[in-house]
Amino acid sequence: QKEVEQNSGPLSVPEGAIASLNCTYSDRGSQSFFWYRQYSGKSPELIMFIYSNGDKEDGRFTAQLNKASQYVSLLIRDSQPSDSATYLCAVRPQGGSEKLVFGKGMKLTVNP
Amino acid sequence: DGGITQSPKYLFRKEGQNVTLSCEQNLNHDAMYWYRQDPGQGLRLIYYSQIVNDFQKGDIAEGYSVSREKKESFPLTVTSAQKNPTAFYLCASSIGGQRNLHFGEGSWLTVV
Repeated sequence: QKEVEQNSGPLSVPEGAIASLNCTYSDRGSQSFFWYRQYSGKSPELIMFIYSNGDKEDGRFTAQLNKASQYVSLLIRDSQPSDSATYLCAVRPQGGSEKLVFGKGMKLTVNP
Repeated sequence: DGGITQSPKYLFRKEGQNVTLSCEQNLNHDAMYWYRQDPGQGLRLIYYSQIVNDFQKGDIAEGYSVSREKKESFPLTVTSAQKNPTAFYLCASSIGGQRNLHFGEGSWLTVV
């Protein structure tokens, strides 16, 4: 069973700080990694995805992959109260599977 | 605008009753998925379909059934065999390979 683990938190940071979220995955051959944001009672929305060949930055968000240690992180710079949500990590295992494996999510609260 | 429409938003099921959740997409995506989310939990895959008239079981398919007679539609039936169906159900679609999952707004199912 392929697994994705996230610290459930909650993580609380002051406005303007950097929020760091991590997840670990069990399948060493995983090829793609996704971060979804989910507001309470709403459906998830994709905010970042990276492939096994490198990190990615998009505005205030940076996704980083550490293949040796099998973890992927999401950094949110200049955190805003509107960033308060649950962040779900998802991984596509190797083998060309059409399935994504999701972590349980980490709740982030950004305090004004 | 293209998107995924789930209905109903809220549904109450009596013991021993089958209910069907609707999912329609106009994104012209080949692949469609059903996930279940319990409070404080990540998403667990129920069923997925990569092409019309074909679908595969996910990790928690017992007590559920699906059909894929049209590219646009992927209804989920929660049968009486599903003993703990109270959850948030999410339908998603993607252009194969799950590079990005597009989610519907979700359906809340409660057993009464």
